[in-house]
Amino acid sequence: GAVVSQHPSWVICKSGTSVKIECRSLDFQATTMFWYRQFPKQSLMLMATSNEGSKATYEQGVEKDKFLINHASLTLSTLTVTSAHPEDSSFYICSAMGLAGDFVYEQYFGPGTRLTVT
Amino acid sequence: AQTVTQSQPEMSVQEAETVTLSCTYDTSESDYYLFWYKQPPSRQMILVIRQEAYKQQNATENRFSVNFQKAAKSFSLKISDSQLGDAAMYFCAYRSPAGGTSYGKLTFGQGTILTVHP
Repeated sequence: GAVVSQHPSWVICKSGTSVKIECRSLDFQATTMFWYRQFPKQSLMLMATSNEGSKATYEQGVEKDKFLINHASLTLSTLTVTSAHPEDSSFYICSAMGLAGDFVYEQYFGPGTRLTVT
Repeated sequence: AQTVTQSQPEMSVQEAETVTLSCTYDTSESDYYLFWYKQPPSRQMILVIRQEAYKQQNATENRFSVNFQKAAKSFSLKISDSQLGDAAMYFCAYRSPAGGTSYGKLTFGQGTILTVHP
């Protein structure tokens, strides 16, 4: 149980276009989802926290107009990178937290999405 | 704000030997959770072990155990009988208890790359 999926796993897009990444909790309801960004051999950097039905809370320094987050249901959150540029190329990871598993309010991580902007 | 520090960027161990990864943290909270996550080359984050601060007993999960020193704010991970599959990047993480604006957020350390030699 407590499986989180991300789609796509790898996406290549051209500079100036937008790309949407989906994060789904497959077997539990996620009251909160988190979005992280990770560069090679570095730690996870929290970008934003989203709660179902409300606006996302962005971490300091994260451009909310560039990284649009929508948590439309208890099982789906999306991250849209708008007008992507090569510096947005990175590995994006989501995690979902809810009433699931042996430990309530545990965070479960998706497999990540590799974004390459050309 | 809480901080988590992993002072060992890289560690190596021989197969079947024991290795200890270090982690220190800083917090003014008395109740919190600590985690060790493993990120293998697939980049899927895997929970290795968790520790509740109010529990004095050190958590263990098969070959993985922690040495939790609350007063010293230290949380090291010991891997016994190391296996090739243990090779990964390991992250120490801190989470505040339920309630409050930081609820559910994980603060990660910088990570330690563990190499296992056959």
